[in-house]
Amino acid sequence: GEDVEQSLFLSVREGDSSVINCTYTDSSSTYLYWYKQEPGAGLQLLTYIFSNMDMKQDQRLTVLLNKKDKHLSLRIADTQTGDSAIYFCAESIGRDDKIIFGKGTRLHILP
Amino acid sequence: ETGVTQSPTHLIKTRGQQVTLRCSSQSGHNTVSWYQQALGQGPQFIFQYYREEENGRGNFPPRFSGLQFPNYSSELNVNALELDDSALYLCASSLEPDRSNTEAFFGQGTRLTVV
Repeated sequence: GEDVEQSLFLSVREGDSSVINCTYTDSSSTYLYWYKQEPGAGLQLLTYIFSNMDMKQDQRLTVLLNKKDKHLSLRIADTQTGDSAIYFCAESIGRDDKIIFGKGTRLHILP
Repeated sequence: ETGVTQSPTHLIKTRGQQVTLRCSSQSGHNTVSWYQQALGQGPQFIFQYYREEENGRGNFPPRFSGLQFPNYSSELNVNALELDDSALYLCASSLEPDRSNTEAFFGQGTRLTVV
C-alpha cells in the first residue's frame, strides 16, 4: 500500500538542530522529498533524495535514508525562527507522476 | 515566487453547487497537476494534464474534472459540491511530465469552503 507517516509536532529551541522523521511503506519508491509549507503559502520543495542514496547534504539540511527500514529523516542545523513551518515528507512511486504526502510535521521554534 | 498563479485565492460555495478553479502555469511549462489538501492533512493527487490531455488520475470521483488550454493554463471543476470538498486546492506546473517531480512548482492555492 501507499502510506507515509510522520509525527505531527516538533518543538526545538532556536540554534539547536531539528530532526523530523518519516516512515513510508512502498518499497518501490524512486524519489523521496521534503517539502516546506508556511502559513498561507503553497508548497516549496526543500530537498529530495533518490532511492539509491543514503545521505544528501545541502547547506543546513541533511537528509538520511534507511531503505531497509523505509525511514527518512530531515535534519535542520542551527534552526532559525524562519524555519517555523509545516514539513511534509513525500514519496514518488515511479509508476506515474503522483506524489504521496505525509500529514506534515509542524515545527515550532522556541526562543 | 514560483510563477504559478491560482485564482481565486478564497471561495465560499454552497453544497450542491459547482465550482471552477484556475491555474496559470509557469512560462514554458506544459504540465499541470492538481492536489487537494484538507485541513491538517497532506496534499492528495487529483489528476495531471499534459498537452491538453489527462495524464494520470488519483482516487477522486468523476465529479472532479479538469481542462488544460492551448496556453497550458488549467481549470479544475468540481460538480455537486459536498462539505468534505472544503480544502486548499494546489496546482503544480512542470516543464514535462517530470517523473522526478523535482522541477514541479506549486502555486499558493485556492481555499474552498463549502457550507
